[in-house]
Amino acid sequence: QSALTQPASVSGSPGQSITISCTGTSSDLGNYNLVSWYQHHPGKAPKFIMYEATKRPSGVSNRFSGSKSGTTASLTISGVQAEDEADYYCCSYAGSDIWVFGGGTKLTVL
Amino acid sequence: QVQVVQSGAEVKKPGASVKVSCKTSGYSFTANAVHWLRQAPGQGLEWMGWINGVDNYTIYSQNFRGRVTFISDTSASTAYMELSSLGSDDTAVYYCAKGRNYVLDWWGQGTLVTVSS
Repeated sequence: QSALTQPASVSGSPGQSITISCTGTSSDLGNYNLVSWYQHHPGKAPKFIMYEATKRPSGVSNRFSGSKSGTTASLTISGVQAEDEADYYCCSYAGSDIWVFGGGTKLTVL
Repeated sequence: QVQVVQSGAEVKKPGASVKVSCKTSGYSFTANAVHWLRQAPGQGLEWMGWINGVDNYTIYSQNFRGRVTFISDTSASTAYMELSSLGSDDTAVYYCAKGRNYVLDWWGQGTLVTVSS
């Protein structure tokens, strides 16, 4: 099972919007709407911030939104803030009780 | 509230085995799964597999099959991950996470495993 593909890094100035893409295949991301996103500040426990591609868990800022089309999912952060600087990972259910993660994207707030 | 607490850092020699624990509280251990992942230095998260808290049903990533074993102790609401035949490329932070409805919604703090001669 291959990892999902994410850009290694993205950056944006405070207040700007940024989008992180996550590309899979027809066997995983393209076949299920079960995409989740995780925010990871180094040295801390990862935190889940999006599920079923577009749904935000309670307590997560509405600056975070998700979308999915075909084999690509995206996470958008509107009005990026310094506290958003972290690594972001996408994850998809791939069938047969298997999950697959993306390689991670480092967000730098300029 | 939900808590997921992992055991402390380990240093192992090549060829040895390591066992990491993941103690949970604040939710029904048997009604949820525990996933295991790792992050090697400078790398992303790598999914290792999961164990069902109710019947010990396990799924292992093909990258670790044959070398990893997941165990759950329902009486202690604790899951364990044992990795054998350690090599230097197994040096990583290992995470456990509670699985619910296709998301990993609560994560442990991570356990650093260093493999060095």
